[in-house]
Amino acid sequence: EAQVTQNPRYLITVTGKKLTVTCSQNMNHEYMSWYRQDPGLGLRQIYYSMNVEVTDKGDVPEGYKVSRKEKRNFPLILESPSPNQTSLYFCASSLSLLAGGGNEQFFGPGTRLTVL
Amino acid sequence: GQNIDQPTEMTATEGAIVQINCTYQTSGFNGLFWYQQHAGEAPTFLSYNVLDGLEEKGRFSSFLSRSKGYSYLLLKELQMKDSASYLCAVRAYSGAGSYQLTFGKGTKLSVIP
Repeated sequence: EAQVTQNPRYLITVTGKKLTVTCSQNMNHEYMSWYRQDPGLGLRQIYYSMNVEVTDKGDVPEGYKVSRKEKRNFPLILESPSPNQTSLYFCASSLSLLAGGGNEQFFGPGTRLTVL
Repeated sequence: GQNIDQPTEMTATEGAIVQINCTYQTSGFNGLFWYQQHAGEAPTFLSYNVLDGLEEKGRFSSFLSRSKGYSYLLLKELQMKDSASYLCAVRAYSGAGSYQLTFGKGTKLSVIP
């Protein structure tokens, strides 16, 4: 089944304890992206990757890191989480983001993170 | 940067038609998407427009006017299961061969009997 998976789905942690949220897709998609979703603010892009070893900052990259060493995986790393990073996080992928087609994004199920 | 505006909330009656508007200001416009998101779930793709005009897909249609920076999503024969948030997203060229997708804050639609 074509899908985007994220782990963990739920996480409660404490300030300063490094964590990684994994994201994997099995559709051979080039483009992958991380978003956070907060009430009243909508979906905001954290980082995106056009292809392997190519990553760019989105609108809210502070406090986050990503890597894209292989096509299927795009982990999100919080080196020193803080309470303002408490949010619902979505990973998404699409075939590409280039012109010429819909290239809609497929979203993972979400990771609900609470930082105490 | 991009600026995308949608109404925050709308209410409509089962069986009726509702139009959800989206206006945007961006440079390097390269397409507009509509997504549906039920509470607590991931967004799912509904429609895509890159040229002016109407795209129809069953009960859902989406319209785009690039010169006006305007799109709408039209939902016909509303059903209770259409109660969800509807997200407008704009794709734009951000330089150096890269494109970025920016989402509006979403419109929460409540369908009432």
